[in-house]
Amino acid sequence: QKEVEQNSGPLSVPEGAIASLNCTYSDRGSQSFFWYRQYSGKSPELIMSIYSNGDKEDGRFTAQLNKASQYVSLLIRDSQPSDSATYLCAVNDDYKLSFGAGTTVTVRA
Amino acid sequence: GAVVSQHPSRVICKSGTSVKIECRSLDFQATTMFWYRQFPKQSLMLMATSNEGSKATYEQGVEKDKFLINHASLTLSTLTVTSAHPEDSSFYICSGGQGLNEQFFGPGTRLTVL
Repeated sequence: QKEVEQNSGPLSVPEGAIASLNCTYSDRGSQSFFWYRQYSGKSPELIMSIYSNGDKEDGRFTAQLNKASQYVSLLIRDSQPSDSATYLCAVNDDYKLSFGAGTTVTVRA
Repeated sequence: GAVVSQHPSRVICKSGTSVKIECRSLDFQATTMFWYRQFPKQSLMLMATSNEGSKATYEQGVEKDKFLINHASLTLSTLTVTSAHPEDSSFYICSGGQGLNEQFFGPGTRLTVL
């Protein structure tokens, strides 16, 4: 199974700040990359998908992909207490997804 | 995004009994469904991949005779935990695939075996 590494947490940011989450992956041939958000006791929710190098913005979320460096990141701007959750990076592994261990984010009011 | 439902959301059973969990894709046809298990404070662990009309593919270390998977239609997959024991207590989550490997997750089923 392909390896997906995420920066260790937990990550604590003040309300209104930018939360930066990082993820690296082992297989240079990976084509699809996803960020999921998981609240405690709930299942993961897809928040971003990215397939091409560069940035992709959706509201307060920006995903950045650099295939040469095998690196994908997620920025959360204007962080809100409701953003407090565990964020999972996922990379396609043939027809499956390989998940990172997750980074727990806490937004302080 | 696409919607996946799971039933039941929570189940408590006695050791030795079997439990069936249903996973339905409500607004899309999922040719592939995935079953995960998640223990507290750990990441998702893929148990098996289910394809409509064929046998499931199990991940290494997952007992196929204990975790029976049936994918009878493009919108329904079931997981049956047979002869459940306390160590099977976990959060079971299904997901359905919809192109380019995107997966949409069901709300999960919390299983407690007494």
